[in-house]
Amino acid sequence: SQQGEEDPQALSIQEGENATMNCSYKTSINNLQWYRQNSGRGLVHLILIRSNEREKHSGRLRVTLDTSKKSSSLLITASRAADTASYFCATKEKFSGGYNKLIFGAGTRLAVHP
Amino acid sequence: EPEVTQTPSHQVTQMGQEVILRCVPISNHLYFYWYRQILGQKVEFLVSFYNNEISEKSEIFDDQFSVERPDGSNFTLKIRSTKLEDSAMYFCASMGQADQPQHFGDGTRLSIL
Repeated sequence: SQQGEEDPQALSIQEGENATMNCSYKTSINNLQWYRQNSGRGLVHLILIRSNEREKHSGRLRVTLDTSKKSSSLLITASRAADTASYFCATKEKFSGGYNKLIFGAGTRLAVHP
Repeated sequence: EPEVTQTPSHQVTQMGQEVILRCVPISNHLYFYWYRQILGQKVEFLVSFYNNEISEKSEIFDDQFSVERPDGSNFTLKIRSTKLEDSAMYFCASMGQADQPQHFGDGTRLSIL
């Protein structure tokens, strides 16, 4: 089954605006993580939210998790051109062992224009 | 900040040849992973490695693939006889403790001709 489907697939905004990306998943999870990928580069970990948490902040990032709806959102406030990248959610399924794989969504391509 | 390093950054190989992709995980990490991303597609799990053995592998990780941690620092992915469809970006990741974030390298772009 597919996990971690993001929407929108692409988002184009102006600098200073907020960007919101959503992620839905199908199974019960242990945690959900958000990653950023600049073009042609590796995945940079942004934030991890556990299944018993509802909201987490890190700088300009705010992540929410609604386990009843099996969804998460990533909000980037006061966006900058340097935030231009692809953003992925990745889930770690529950009851899968501490070392289990991450299941990635297809990602949201964010373009922030100066 | 410690990081995962991967070499080479780009590997071009003829179909049927063997390739070895190398990774140096973060030094005190215990869990190691390989993922791949075919151009324009999702990042896909290949294999996880813990306590010197494979802990899980995906359907993609068939008999042509193997992993090794030969010297306590490097973590390698070997593809014995490459196919055109193996062309992808391969990412190594490591994790310190269970339920912590996985940290990724910059990847190796593998091009099979």
